[in-house]
Amino acid sequence: DVKVTQSSRYLVKRTGEKVFLECVQDMDHENMFWYRQDPGLGLRLIYFSYDVKMKEKGDIPEGYSVSREKKERFSLILESASTNQTSMYLCASSSPGQGNGYTFGSGTRLTVV
Amino acid sequence: ILNVEQSPQSLHVQEGDSTNFTCSFPSSNFYALHWYRWETAKSPEALFVMTLNGDEKKKGRISATLNTKEGYSYLYIKGSQPEDSATYLCALSTGTASKLTFGTGTRLQVTL
Repeated sequence: DVKVTQSSRYLVKRTGEKVFLECVQDMDHENMFWYRQDPGLGLRLIYFSYDVKMKEKGDIPEGYSVSREKKERFSLILESASTNQTSMYLCASSSPGQGNGYTFGSGTRLTVV
Repeated sequence: ILNVEQSPQSLHVQEGDSTNFTCSFPSSNFYALHWYRWETAKSPEALFVMTLNGDEKKKGRISATLNTKEGYSYLYIKGSQPEDSATYLCALSTGTASKLTFGTGTRLQVTL
């Protein structure tokens, strides 16, 4: 059963901490994505990657960075967590080609206190 | 930033009711329209991908239509069941990149 695995389902961190959210896929997909989901705002794209060591900013990259050292792993980094980064974070992957759908992870609900 | 809108934001129906909701998107640069179902505590699950104007797709009691000229898609659920309770997301692909732009979702609750 193919899957996208996010390392934590729930996470509580303190303001100012450096936070790593990990995502691993086993489908050999080139594309990987990080979104956050907030009530009334839908899924908003933070960063994405088309290949190893490649990254591109999405619509709301401020306060985040990413790392893709291996094809199967895409990490989202909050350099200094703030309360406005409390959210549900979703990772997804897809194969190349416009119009291909995503396979999603089950999400990480991050609370920054 | 592309504007993909979904309405209504939430919907509460009785078991057995049929329902529908709308996804609106800019018709320029259209490549594909995706529908996902997202149940609480689970991963969003793909329902349909539609690319052609006039496309209709069906999966059990759920169907979708697409109008690319006017920029909208409808999702229909016939005879709603409690297990249909979920957030339904639509997402637009413009063909310039592999990324999808999502709507805000329609949260459906079906009660007995």
